[in-house]
Amino acid sequence: DAMVIQNPRYQVTQFGKPVTLSCSQTLNHNVMYWYQQKSSQAPKLLFHYYDKDFNNEADTPDNFQSRRPNTSFCFLDIRSPGLGDAAMYLCATSRAGGGDTQYFGPGTRLTVL
Amino acid sequence: AQKVTQAQTEISVVEKEDVTLDCVYETRDTTYYLFWYKQPPSGELVFLIRRNSFDEQNEISGRYSWNFQKSTSSFNFTITASQVVDSAVYFCALTLTTDSWGKLQFGAGTQVVVTP
Repeated sequence: DAMVIQNPRYQVTQFGKPVTLSCSQTLNHNVMYWYQQKSSQAPKLLFHYYDKDFNNEADTPDNFQSRRPNTSFCFLDIRSPGLGDAAMYLCATSRAGGGDTQYFGPGTRLTVL
Repeated sequence: AQKVTQAQTEISVVEKEDVTLDCVYETRDTTYYLFWYKQPPSGELVFLIRRNSFDEQNEISGRYSWNFQKSTSSFNFTITASQVVDSAVYFCALTLTTDSWGKLQFGAGTQVVVTP
């Protein structure tokens, strides 16, 4: 089945130790998104790619970076995780942005010790 | 700027009761899309419905139904004969047709708790 896959589902890291979260899709969608979701809050958009065009939300911390080496994969790098970065990280894709539906992966729950 | 309001933080019902989730939105644009997503305890956001601003027809899908009223800027969601598996957080969201990135403006979410 076509889908959005995130690995790992659970990630534990230490304060300040870099971590990379990955997302892959078999939908062949042009747009990929990374969201951060903290407890009892709505998802908050961090960045998105339309093909290789990258857009960083204005309030996304510099500590967060992203890479999209090809259509299928997208990575979220947190260079120096702080305790406040503990959250669920959700990847989503859409065919072409605009009003197209975003399909979400199962998420990666990040714990920072 | 767009805004989506889900005024109900949590709704608790007993199984088989109906539950209606309210969603009110604000936008100056005339073309937009509205969505509902379900987030069960596992965390994944599951797409439920997409509705464009030109289509005010109500929709029914099994036990789910949606009522879109542009006159009141509302897109309400009803679960009929609720089941325990309906326990989740439900998000209403809006995006503008003119937004090439398709950025979603989410409401705060409504937690639905269905008890046996």
